[in-house]
Amino acid sequence: RKEVEQDPGPFNVPEGATVAFNCTYSNSASQSFFWYRQDCRKEPKLLMSVYSSGNEDGRFTAQLNRASQYISLLIRDSKLSDSATYLCVVKRTGGFKTIFGAGTRLFVKA
Amino acid sequence: DTAVSQTPKYLVTQMGNDKSIKCEQNLGHDTMYWYKQDSKKFLKIMFSYNNKELIINETVPNRFSPKSPDKAHLNLHINSLELGDSAVYFCASSQDNRIGGGYTFGSGTRLTVV
Repeated sequence: RKEVEQDPGPFNVPEGATVAFNCTYSNSASQSFFWYRQDCRKEPKLLMSVYSSGNEDGRFTAQLNRASQYISLLIRDSKLSDSATYLCVVKRTGGFKTIFGAGTRLFVKA
Repeated sequence: DTAVSQTPKYLVTQMGNDKSIKCEQNLGHDTMYWYKQDSKKFLKIMFSYNNKELIINETVPNRFSPKSPDKAHLNLHINSLELGDSAVYFCASSQDNRIGGGYTFGSGTRLTVV
């Protein structure tokens, strides 16, 4: 079993839709959590950190459930420009290792 | 003014050759990394340096050798290139690997071994 697992994609949604991605992690020593976005043939870019209390950044909301060991990303009012691969990222406590999920592909259609 | 820059952007070379990829960051970060992204788009850590000290050395063939002359630079040298080395190699940096914080990635080096 992979240490970080994400929803299989691709997700195909119309503009304006709300879409949610889930990600589970297996190592309970994981401490820090992030969502990255990667456009085709580009580098990953930090979208947002994920905090225990949940956090929002415009149309994006991230949630963390430590008991169930999953994090989620909700995108409201999808735009064409949201089409990308979304990577779930988990960093372990006290160590130096950061694990990237395999990514979930999102296509937003007009 | 690019934060993490790596060169070259594209590299096409024959099997058996030796090549280097360079990376520089101007963010003042303490930690730098090399990641490999293969054709399945999976990002895997290869190496990490914190203030010029090697702190992560994953199971990578010893044909791959990182070098960090100072904390702003991390280079990757690959000997005797093989077809399976074809991938995109990303350099990244972060402020302090022990504290929650995101990475800044370079734009990647697309290596094709023929």
